[in-house]
Amino acid sequence: AQSVTQLGSHVSVSEGALVLLRCNYSSSVPPYLFWYVQYPNQGLQLLLKYTSAATLVKGINGFEAEFKKSETSFHLTKPSAHMSDAAEYFCAVSTVGGYNKLIFGAGTRLAVHP
Amino acid sequence: EAQVTQNPRYLITVTGKKLTVTCSQNMNHEYMSWYRQDPGLGLRQIYYSMNVEVTDKGDVPEGYKVSRKEKRNFPLILESPSPNQTSLYFCASSFQGPDTQYFGPGTRLTVL
Repeated sequence: AQSVTQLGSHVSVSEGALVLLRCNYSSSVPPYLFWYVQYPNQGLQLLLKYTSAATLVKGINGFEAEFKKSETSFHLTKPSAHMSDAAEYFCAVSTVGGYNKLIFGAGTRLAVHP
Repeated sequence: EAQVTQNPRYLITVTGKKLTVTCSQNMNHEYMSWYRQDPGLGLRQIYYSMNVEVTDKGDVPEGYKVSRKEKRNFPLILESPSPNQTSLYFCASSFQGPDTQYFGPGTRLTVL
């Protein structure tokens, strides 16, 4: 069975600091991995996705994530946080050949302070 | 504009009063899905549909029904809502396969 674990339900950083949101997955078959962002009172928006091509994936708003099979991780990073990055972030896994079911982590709420 | 729409956005109801939350997409997607979001639990899938007239249970289907009579619409039905169904609900759609899912704006449901 697939699962996703996001370490840290709340992360707080200073504006301009590195953002690191952790995601570990469990999957018995090659996974597809996603990061979604949810701004207050809005739906989820795709940040980036890994689909077995390059292991370093670049997304929108300066975010990127690296797929590490040996560590079963897909951590999300951004070199310099901006106030507008404050949101909740969800990591999700799906499987190749599956029926497009997404398994979500519990989410990490990112706070950015001046 | 490509989008997934849900109605209503907010709903307060009482236990046992049947309700329907509508979902519509204009991207000709085959796959549609309903999720509920609860604090600390992330999003959990309720039902999904691979195409017209093809639906199946997700992880938390109890107390919910769906139908897919048209490709663009995928309503969520609560025949007899209970307080434990108070939650934030999202509809999503995509093409087949592990592709990007597009989410609606959410429906916040409160059952008293």
